[in-house]
Amino acid sequence: NAGVMQNPRHLVRRRGQEARLRCSPMKGHSHVYWYRQLPEEGLKFMVYLQKENIIDESGMPKERFSAEFPKEGPSILRIQQVVRGDSAAYFCASSPRDRETQYFGPGTRLLVL
Amino acid sequence: KNEVEQSPQNLTAQEGEFITINCSYSVGISALHWLQQHPGGGIVSLFMLSSGKKKHGRLIATINIQEKHSSLHITASHPRDSAVYICAARPWNAGGTSYGKLTFGQGTILTVHP
Repeated sequence: NAGVMQNPRHLVRRRGQEARLRCSPMKGHSHVYWYRQLPEEGLKFMVYLQKENIIDESGMPKERFSAEFPKEGPSILRIQQVVRGDSAAYFCASSPRDRETQYFGPGTRLLVL
Repeated sequence: KNEVEQSPQNLTAQEGEFITINCSYSVGISALHWLQQHPGGGIVSLFMLSSGKKKHGRLIATINIQEKHSSLHITASHPRDSAVYICAARPWNAGGTSYGKLTFGQGTILTVHP
């Protein structure tokens, strides 16, 4: 059973470009969580999704950031018009049901030049 | 003040020592997680607990809900235990329910020397 997969593992973007980060949860998991780890800072919750639904997006910046988890395919975290402050490690985690152990992906390291 | 506080921030030990990392939280929670982040950045979930004590190999996690405090212990520490240990709380939301959203401590950097 493959673990949580994220791609790309590293992503370099110039200011103003778009970044798309993908997360494939573990098989059988329908709950996905996105977290961000800024340099020298702790992890912060961004958004919690179930299939086709955003349950809680209270940690998402109000502009430029969006997330989806379609019926088919991976969950996508999209950052439009990236700025240097978006440089961070973005982790997703999945669980089979809410309130159970979350399994983390390897993360995507985004660098904005 | 963060809702989840860990201490110490940095911990250095000699191989074989008993290690304790502490986590205090200021909100009502339904569960507390302990995570390990490897030097390469990957994150592994160690424990999820809502009461009492759990043990896995050389790792022991305890929680006292009344005192809003949890501890992670490592017995017979080894250099391969060197990592960042993170506690994360799952708080109750305003509606009195709780779901998977986690609030994280800043992490404890553990270095175990041979």
